[in-house]
Amino acid sequence: NAGVTQTPKFQVLKTGQSMTLQCAQDMNHEYMSWYRQDPGMGLRLIHYSVGAGITDQGEVPNGYNVSRSTTEDFPLRLLSAAPSQTSVYFCASSYSLAGVGELFFGEGSRLTVL
Amino acid sequence: SQQGEEDPQALSIQEGENATMNCSYKTSINNLQWYRQNSGRGLVHLILIRSNEREKHSGRLRVTLDTSKKSSSLLITASRAADTASYFCAGRNPTDKLIFGTGTRLQVFP
Repeated sequence: NAGVTQTPKFQVLKTGQSMTLQCAQDMNHEYMSWYRQDPGMGLRLIHYSVGAGITDQGEVPNGYNVSRSTTEDFPLRLLSAAPSQTSVYFCASSYSLAGVGELFFGEGSRLTVL
Repeated sequence: SQQGEEDPQALSIQEGENATMNCSYKTSINNLQWYRQNSGRGLVHLILIRSNEREKHSGRLRVTLDTSKKSSSLLITASRAADTASYFCAGRNPTDKLIFGTGTRLQVFP
């Protein structure tokens, strides 16, 4: 199994450009989520999904859009990139949203916005 | 912010020594997990301690949880150079969201 796969690993954008970070998992997990990691701030939840067709906002959703058309895929769209969105983005999945479900993480996508 | 605060932010020790990291939250937390992150990589789940447990062991890891103090600690015994990584706590808040701590960077010198 590949687990959670994120692409691209690195990306440089100019302010105002848009792009999509791809995330796919092959573990048949219902729950998928996107986090951003910034120095000294740990991981903050951007958006999450509890199943195909269902998405919800996390702690820092502004400037990002998501959709979940299949169980496997959960892309994150940056609509108009800003320097404040320079960060490392992680996709994570779990068999369960609630209780004791552990997260399985991708390797991350490092985004720089100039 | 709901984030957990971890202490210390950074820790440097020699191989063979023990490493202790602490995590605290402002809101109540349940079912706390600890994750490890090697430099430039994704996070990997280490251990879960359930809300009704006070202490749990797994190999060289010992985790404690005090729900009344909203805090947890991770002890790594007999540290090795390969333990060098960042460690994050993650607890479930009252709305069942998994909220991460700010992380502790551990450096173990051979």
